[in-house]
Amino acid sequence: DTAVSQTPKYLVTQMGNDKSIKCEQNLGHDTMYWYKQDSKKFLKIMFSYNNKELIINETVPNRFSPKSPDKAHLNLHINSLELGDSAVYFCASSQTSGSTDTQYFGPGTRLTVL
Amino acid sequence: DQQVKQNSPSLSVQEGRISILNCDYTNSMFDYFLWYKKYPAEGPTFLISISSIKDKNEDGRFTVFLNKSAKHLSLHIVPSQPGDSAVYFCAASVGGGADGLTFGKGTHLIIQP
Repeated sequence: DTAVSQTPKYLVTQMGNDKSIKCEQNLGHDTMYWYKQDSKKFLKIMFSYNNKELIINETVPNRFSPKSPDKAHLNLHINSLELGDSAVYFCASSQTSGSTDTQYFGPGTRLTVL
Repeated sequence: DQQVKQNSPSLSVQEGRISILNCDYTNSMFDYFLWYKKYPAEGPTFLISISSIKDKNEDGRFTVFLNKSAKHLSLHIVPSQPGDSAVYFCAASVGGGADGLTFGKGTHLIIQP
């Protein structure tokens, strides 16, 4: 059983399109995150949700909107895709938002914007 | 502004020897540090962590050392095995983990037979 799963694994799309990436965790965790790994290989936090509520939103364009229908899911919607959005997006979850809680990562979604 | 730095993009070590991966940080507010291992086309996998109140944590072949005065941590793997070949990310967090982890750029460890 996959603990943190993401779909799709690969996503190729044209500039200007709107796309979504789905994330689900079956660990019973309260907190979920989205990270972006850019072409320079930096992994950076984008959002974190605790029990379906947004608790952090780093300096991410408002074209990116996370949606948490329940605490096991945190989907990422991206509107008006731009070339610079090409990256690998990782979803993660942790038991709580405590600093010592291990974050478990999904396999990543490689987004390519043409 | 890189708060977590891994200055060695890659490291090659012979099988059976010790691998030492280094990480430096600039934010003195970090109070929890982690190492993640990543294989190609997979997400990072948690390896080992250390709280800022400790200076060493050991788990099997993996030991993490923390030097707060130098703002430096290192991961020791001994003995190194072929399956250890992967990219290793150093990460740190401040206070509540809700702020997410701040990652270094990663070090690609290659274990030579």
